[in-house]
Amino acid sequence: GENVEQHPSTLSVQEGDSAVIKCTYSDSASNYFPWYKQELGKGPQLIIDIRSNVGEKKDQRIAVTLNKTAKHFSLHITETQPEDSAVYFCAASSSGNTPLVFGKGTRLSVIA
Amino acid sequence: KAGVTQTPRYLIKTRGQQVTLSCSPISGHRSVSWYQQTPGQGLQFLFEYFSETQRNKGNFPGRFSGRQFSNSRSEMNVSTLELGDSALYLCASSPRQTTNYGYTFGSGTRLTVV
Repeated sequence: GENVEQHPSTLSVQEGDSAVIKCTYSDSASNYFPWYKQELGKGPQLIIDIRSNVGEKKDQRIAVTLNKTAKHFSLHITETQPEDSAVYFCAASSSGNTPLVFGKGTRLSVIA
Repeated sequence: KAGVTQTPRYLIKTRGQQVTLSCSPISGHRSVSWYQQTPGQGLQFLFEYFSETQRNKGNFPGRFSGRQFSNSRSEMNVSTLELGDSALYLCASSPRQTTNYGYTFGSGTRLTVV
């Protein structure tokens, strides 16, 4: 089955700097790659997703890139703010009938 | 509109007991998935239901079971609780049957087994 590796496990950046989180997946059939943000005491919230027919997607300060050949995808957050501090999870799904498989998460701390 | 509602928010149980957790999806969402979240293992898939049918089941022992009702509400049950079952149990709903679509998660039920 699908396996998703996520790096780094913790990341500290200065406010205003960029943050990059990387994930690799094992199943070449995977075609849907969402990213979730989890704040303390809350459930994960979908922040952006990308499908395999697209190489990059942006939403304001957040962007996701996908390299299907290398089987990796990344989350880029620019101009980080303290409210970006949270745990971020990547996930992958190999078909519409298999469950989302999650990476183990990255704890991002934005230092003011 | 209301989000995914999970009850109770917190639960403390003793080893050997059983527990039932409840999830009410967003109105109109017929797909419900359950995940177990622990610091060491991250988010691990438990079950997925669509229109009262279990579509997928994760690699958990038979002590973990679930069901979905005709109104799309879902419950999961854990029998003969073990200390290792302590975790945050998350429910997510989706408007589509396919898993290639954004899930909306609830805030979870924090289960502590003592």
